Amino acid sequence: NAGVTQTPKFRILKIGQSMTLQCTQDMNHNYMYWYRQDPGMGLKLIYYSVGAGITDKGEVPNGYNVSRSTTEDFPLRLELAAPSQTSVYFCASSPRQGAAKNIQYFGAGTRLSVL
Amino acid sequence: RKEVEQDPGPFNVPEGATVAFNCTYSNSASQSFFWYRQDCRKEPKLLMSVYSSGNEDGRFTAQLNRASQYISLLIRDSKLSDSATYLCVVRGDSSYKLIFGSGTRLLVRP
Repeated sequence: NAGVTQTPKFRILKIGQSMTLQCTQDMNHNYMYWYRQDPGMGLKLIYYSVGAGITDKGEVPNGYNVSRSTTEDFPLRLELAAPSQTSVYFCASSPRQGAAKNIQYFGAGTRLSVL
Repeated sequence: RKEVEQDPGPFNVPEGATVAFNCTYSNSASQSFFWYRQDCRKEPKLLMSVYSSGNEDGRFTAQLNRASQYISLLIRDSKLSDSATYLCVVRGDSSYKLIFGSGTRLLVRP
């Protein structure tokens, strides 16, 4: 029962480097989300997807890109890392229907530092 | 004004105490409400949904007041293991986006 799996767990980047945060879910959920959480703050939505091939911007999309080629995978791309992107990144998924349709299930997070 | 507002705390209580958190939301059209729990350096996990009539799950009771646009969480007989940050979460206008409060930190001491 893997649920939502994120890799890597930790990463240090230099300013200007790029990287992809991986997210995979095995629950066949249609909806997937990327959040960032800064220290002492709530979660802010970066991007979300309602199904394969469909993505949309959330509250703080600048500096990030996503793709959704399969139901299972929703990678988040940082093209030119900046210190302001130092944060904890959480991926989540939720089903489109059923009793749990409004409930989001989270991965363990990726801690990213940009120096 | 933030869409979901919570007192950040920390609430520092002894074991066995009863503690209550409130949360206010700004969008009167919000449809669904939740409390999530987040342990230090961990991912948020659903604690309980909040229903219009109020609901209870063991030591936890959630209430919704639509007229005043606030949600509450009551924890009875606090345990050390209840120490965590409690996130108030509201479903916004769309059917799939959630709005998270910044959380209320609870510390339960022996």
